[in-house]
Amino acid sequence: DVKVTQSSRYLVKRTGEKVFLECVQDMDHENMFWYRQDPGLGLRLIYFSYDVKMKEKGDIPEGYSVSREKKERFSLILESASTNQTSMYLCASSAAGRLAIEQYFGPGTRLTVT
Amino acid sequence: RKEVEQDPGPFNVPEGATVAFNCTYSNSASQSFFWYRQDCRKEPKLLMSVYSSGNEDGRFTAQLNRASQYISLLIRDSKLSDSATYLCVEAYGQNFVFGPGTRLSVLP
Repeated sequence: DVKVTQSSRYLVKRTGEKVFLECVQDMDHENMFWYRQDPGLGLRLIYFSYDVKMKEKGDIPEGYSVSREKKERFSLILESASTNQTSMYLCASSAAGRLAIEQYFGPGTRLTVT
Repeated sequence: RKEVEQDPGPFNVPEGATVAFNCTYSNSASQSFFWYRQDCRKEPKLLMSVYSSGNEDGRFTAQLNRASQYISLLIRDSKLSDSATYLCVEAYGQNFVFGPGTRLSVLP
């Protein structure tokens, strides 16, 4: 069974803290993604990775960085959390292919920055 | 900027009704399309993939109109458990663009 896990379901952090969100997939997928989801805005891509140690900016990378040291793990880092980064963060993975195939999502991390 | 547009709803329908959602996309080069279902405070889950003109799976039918750049999702014989938000997605290469979602409530 396909499995994408995220380190926390709920997280509360203070403004200025460094925040790490971890994502692990057990499907040997090449591609991994980080999104945030806000009411009325849908899912917006923050960063994605096609391979180990490789990363590409998405639509809203400002204030975030990522790390992919192993194929199964993709980390999202908020260097200095701000209140406008309060959101639901979703990690996803997919297999590589000529055509895009479905992404599988983790359960999400609801982050609150106070 | 590439965008996917959906009517946010909510669509309130009685059990057993047929309901259809439309979604428009902007990138004529997109080759893959998806419908995801998202329950409240849960992650999106794939409902259906659309690579050619359409797809059917039980009560669910998706149709793609490339000329007009829209995708539709038809749900027949609605069940209470169909209540959710339905996300339309276009993909080009490995880039996914999600719509904001259409909320469906199936009422007893």
